Amino acid sequence: AQSVSQHNHHVILSEAASLELGCNYSYGGTVNLFWYVQYPGQHLQLLLKYFSGDPLVKGIKGFEAEFIKSKFSFNLRKPSVQWSDTAEYFCAVSLRLRYGGSQGNLIFGKGTKLSVKP
Amino acid sequence: GAGVSQSPSNKVTEKGKDVELRCDPISGHTALYWYRQRLGQGLEFLIYFQGNSAPDKSGLPSDRFSAERTGESVSTLTIQRTQQEDSAVYLCASSLGAPSWRELFFGEGSRLTVL
Repeated sequence: AQSVSQHNHHVILSEAASLELGCNYSYGGTVNLFWYVQYPGQHLQLLLKYFSGDPLVKGIKGFEAEFIKSKFSFNLRKPSVQWSDTAEYFCAVSLRLRYGGSQGNLIFGKGTKLSVKP
Repeated sequence: GAGVSQSPSNKVTEKGKDVELRCDPISGHTALYWYRQRLGQGLEFLIYFQGNSAPDKSGLPSDRFSAERTGESVSTLTIQRTQQEDSAVYLCASSLGAPSWRELFFGEGSRLTVL
């Protein structure tokens, strides 16, 4: 079965530190890739997504992610975190079907909690 | 409102009772998803509706779980004979439709506690 792995359960950083959150998926076919974020007390929202083209994707609030097909990875990065980045981050994958279109659901990882100390 | 609306926001019930959770998607969104998030776990896919197509029920964990959607609007997730392991936050999301590279817009969730 397809799965998404986020290796870090909880990451604690100081402001201005660099961030990299790992995400790996298990699926041999073509995928669409997403990062969603949930700020404290708020609903999940899209941070960035990749489905074709440049494997380096830029999202909101200075976040970026790089799709490395050979490693089945889509790691999230930010050069300098802020206290306001404290949130839970979820990686998600949807599967592209062989003859076009995509499987309906998104498969999510277990999430990584990021705590940024001021 | 402009966003996905879910009700109730909190529900406490006794083991064995039935519960209904409601989701009102963003107007015009043809796709609707239900996910479950248990404490410390990721989002677990339950069911997906897309327009008038047959729903993808492949994530429903047992026959105690069912969901309906009226046209392209409100959806209800029903859990019969609730068990303690059903305690979780149930999240609803909607999107403009297939294919699934479109952004999902999530509601605040319904937190279910089964005593």
